Amino acid sequence: DIQITQSPSTLSASVGDRVIITCRASQSISNWLAWFQQKPGKAPKLLIQRASSLESGVPSRFSGSGSGTEFTLTINSLQPDDFATYYCQQYNTYFTFGGGTKVEIK
Amino acid sequence: QLQLQESGPGLVKPSETLSLTCTVSNDSISTSHYFWVWVRQPPGKGLEWIGSVHSNGNTYHNPSLRSRLSLSIDTSKNHFSLRLSSVTVADTAVYFCARLGSQTFDHWGQGTLVTVSS
Repeated sequence: DIQITQSPSTLSASVGDRVIITCRASQSISNWLAWFQQKPGKAPKLLIQRASSLESGVPSRFSGSGSGTEFTLTINSLQPDDFATYYCQQYNTYFTFGGGTKVEIK
Repeated sequence: QLQLQESGPGLVKPSETLSLTCTVSNDSISTSHYFWVWVRQPPGKGLEWIGSVHSNGNTYHNPSLRSRLSLSIDTSKNHFSLRLSSVTVADTAVYFCARLGSQTFDHWGQGTLVTVSS
């Protein structure tokens, strides 16, 4: 099984901050990694696939990078709508999610 | 716009079978050539892929659930279904259905809470 370690689990930030979330895979997954945003009581929303490809309609302040085993999600100039929980997901072999990062208001 | 809607009992007794259906609207399961998936999320916890099913009947199961899991698809009703047997309180979760697009899960249902309790 491919394990995904996501950090931090919680992140306190202010509007306008730059936020970085990291995921590490237990083995190489090339660039088969996605990022999701989830708000309370809602389904996850796909933000980025193939590590760095932004979904249509997702603001450009979101960006993803990495390959192999190390990946990051960066949110530039955090906006009020961005306070949510973020999950990475590998889809190299089946599907595994990271534990999530809750971005909360500082 | 593609829509998915989960349906099924919100309460299941321990040791019984959990059954859910996901109805797809504004797309045809039989002609779209996608896999359709189930994901669950225990209250306050993270996401877990349960399994995937294709209109041709092919299925993939999370190895941790394989022995208890059955996935099926009914193209005539444009829906797919999940059956999880011998449930315990650990199976209490919000269950989501979704579409596996060209890369990963790109359209989701709103989710339905299933509680396992006597």
